[in-house]
Amino acid sequence: DIQMTQSPSSLSASVGDRVTITCRASQSISRSLNWYQQKPGKAPKLLIYAASSLQSGVPSRFSGGASGTDFTLTISSLQPEDFATYYCQQSYSTLGTFGQGTKVEIK
Amino acid sequence: EVQLVQSGAEVKKPGESLKISCKGSGYSFTSHWIAWVRQMPGKGLEWMGIIYPGDSDTRYSPSFQGQVTISADKSISTAYLQWSSLKASDTAMYYCARRGQNVAYSLDYWGQGTLVTVSS
Repeated sequence: DIQMTQSPSSLSASVGDRVTITCRASQSISRSLNWYQQKPGKAPKLLIYAASSLQSGVPSRFSGGASGTDFTLTISSLQPEDFATYYCQQSYSTLGTFGQGTKVEIK
Repeated sequence: EVQLVQSGAEVKKPGESLKISCKGSGYSFTSHWIAWVRQMPGKGLEWMGIIYPGDSDTRYSPSFQGQVTISADKSISTAYLQWSSLKASDTAMYYCARRGQNVAYSLDYWGQGTLVTVSS
């Protein structure tokens, strides 16, 4: 199984802050890494696919990066609607696995 | 418009059986894998398994192999997740999601979720 280790598990930030979340794969997954946003009581929503491609309709303040088995999700200027939980997910294998999630809270 | 519509919330007793559904519309149902994802109360997302409705090829994550059965009826564009004997630990929200055909095969559309509560 491919394991995904996401950090931090939670963070507190203010509106306007730059926020970065990291995800590490247990083996090479090429760029088969996706990021999802989940708000309370809602289904997850795809933000970024293939490590750095923005899903249609997602604001440009979201961006993704990759270096080897390390991946990042960056929010350049946090907005009130961005307070949510974020998950990475590898799709290198047919059985995708998720990271543990990062909850972004208001400071 | 692509949509995945899941069946409604269920309340069951331990030992009972259950089958929940996920109906796809607005796209070729037989051409996209459908994944099932579990979210236990207050916890993260867990990949349970995936099915290709075109030929019913099904894969299970090791933690869920033998615990659930995933199936699909392509004639009515519907995927299913079923249990033969529920346990209290099966209490969770269950999501179906479509595996897209972009370069990373991400889960691009999700159902609204089905809440399953198992309690005596």
